[in-house]
Amino acid sequence: AQSVTQLGSHVSVSEGALVLLRCNYSSSVPPYLFWYVQYPNQGLQLLLKYTSAATLVKGINGFEAEFKKSETSFHLTKPSAHMSDAAEYFCAVSDGNNRLAFGKGNQVVVIP
Amino acid sequence: GAGVSQTPSNKVTEKGKYVELRCDPISGHTALYWYRQSLGQGPEFLIYFQGTGAADDSGLPNDRFFAVRPEGSVSTLKIQRTERGDSAVYLCASSPVGVPYYEQYFGPGTRLTVT
Repeated sequence: AQSVTQLGSHVSVSEGALVLLRCNYSSSVPPYLFWYVQYPNQGLQLLLKYTSAATLVKGINGFEAEFKKSETSFHLTKPSAHMSDAAEYFCAVSDGNNRLAFGKGNQVVVIP
Repeated sequence: GAGVSQTPSNKVTEKGKYVELRCDPISGHTALYWYRQSLGQGPEFLIYFQGTGAADDSGLPNDRFFAVRPEGSVSTLKIQRTERGDSAVYLCASSPVGVPYYEQYFGPGTRLTVT
């Protein structure tokens, strides 16, 4: 069965600093990988997805992620954090079934 | 356009009671999903509909949980004999088609509290 691991439930980053959220996946077949963001009292919103095309994927709000098969990773980055990036971020994997397996999430706090 | 909507936004019920949670997907989306998010956890898959039929219900935790989508649009998640462990946020998502690489569009969720 597919799964993802996100370490560090809370991540603090200074405004203007690099945002790095780590995601490692386990899948028996080539995976589809997603990053979602959840703002308070709102639904999950897709940031970006990997579907076996380019390994470097660019998403909304300046985020990007790189698929590395050798490391089974799909880490999310943003060069410069903004106060509006404060939210919870979830990595998810689908191995071809129509269901997503989510990690536990990272709560990002941006320090002014 | 209108996104996925879920009602009620909050539901408090007593242990042993029956509850229904409603999901209105984006118009025209044939695929509909239910997930459950417990405190401090990521969402967990419950059930997936393609049209009116449940294509995958492998995530339902036990036979107290049941979901329907009779006309291929609105879906209702039904929980019988609720237990305190059922307390969670129940998320609904929809997608234009039922393929694994398509984005799932999520609603804001229903927060269920069983006292």
